[in-house]
Amino acid sequence: DTGVSQNPRHKITKRGQNVTFRCDPISEHNRLYWYRQTLGQGPEFLTYFQNEAQLEKSRLLSDRFSAERPKGSFSTLEIQRTEQGDSAMYLCASSPQGPRGYTFGSGTRLTVV
Amino acid sequence: AQKITQTQPGMFVQEKEAVTLDCTYDTSDQSYGLFWYKQPSSGEMIFLIYQGSYDEQNATEGRYSLNFQKARKSANLVISASQLGDSAMYFCAMREPSADRGSTLGRLYFGRGTQLTVWP
Repeated sequence: DTGVSQNPRHKITKRGQNVTFRCDPISEHNRLYWYRQTLGQGPEFLTYFQNEAQLEKSRLLSDRFSAERPKGSFSTLEIQRTEQGDSAMYLCASSPQGPRGYTFGSGTRLTVV
Repeated sequence: AQKITQTQPGMFVQEKEAVTLDCTYDTSDQSYGLFWYKQPSSGEMIFLIYQGSYDEQNATEGRYSLNFQKARKSANLVISASQLGDSAMYFCAMREPSADRGSTLGRLYFGRGTQLTVWP
């Protein structure tokens, strides 16, 4: 297990379509996070799982967004009825219990046309 | 209010020189963690260095060191002997303080980043 894996790397979709991204964390990490990064900004927190439980959601996560982490392993982030404002890099990260930081994946770059 | 402030949108440094990237943070908690990440054009966030609020020594990782001034709430990144491959976006981040006490929270707050360009 060499790191956090995200698929796809790039996604172009038409406005109004649904998209789903996948994140495979480092296997021994029980915490998993999703962030969104728009051009010229730092990443912004979306949601957080500890094992399979979704413990926190940002107000950025509108009703069109849903995230799951079945069985506490991989996670999916789905965006329904995509809008042009959803165009961004979606980053996944995982971390072990404790104060240190995360390992990020390479991200999924979403372009809504 | 911004929890992390990076006031330098862009910095330029000549190869082999040292450069300091500024970061100030805002928290009322006593226990927190500070991080620096590098983001090349490929998009991946690469962890560079971590400083815990109770750590008495400044953190160092190879050519990276963190100049931690707790009273000033600053956590500047110093890169020594810059290399062309250091050209990237650099982000300062703070871990939600309560995460260090084992609570359910664990988000990172990021600044807007500093674009570092190393020239030959």
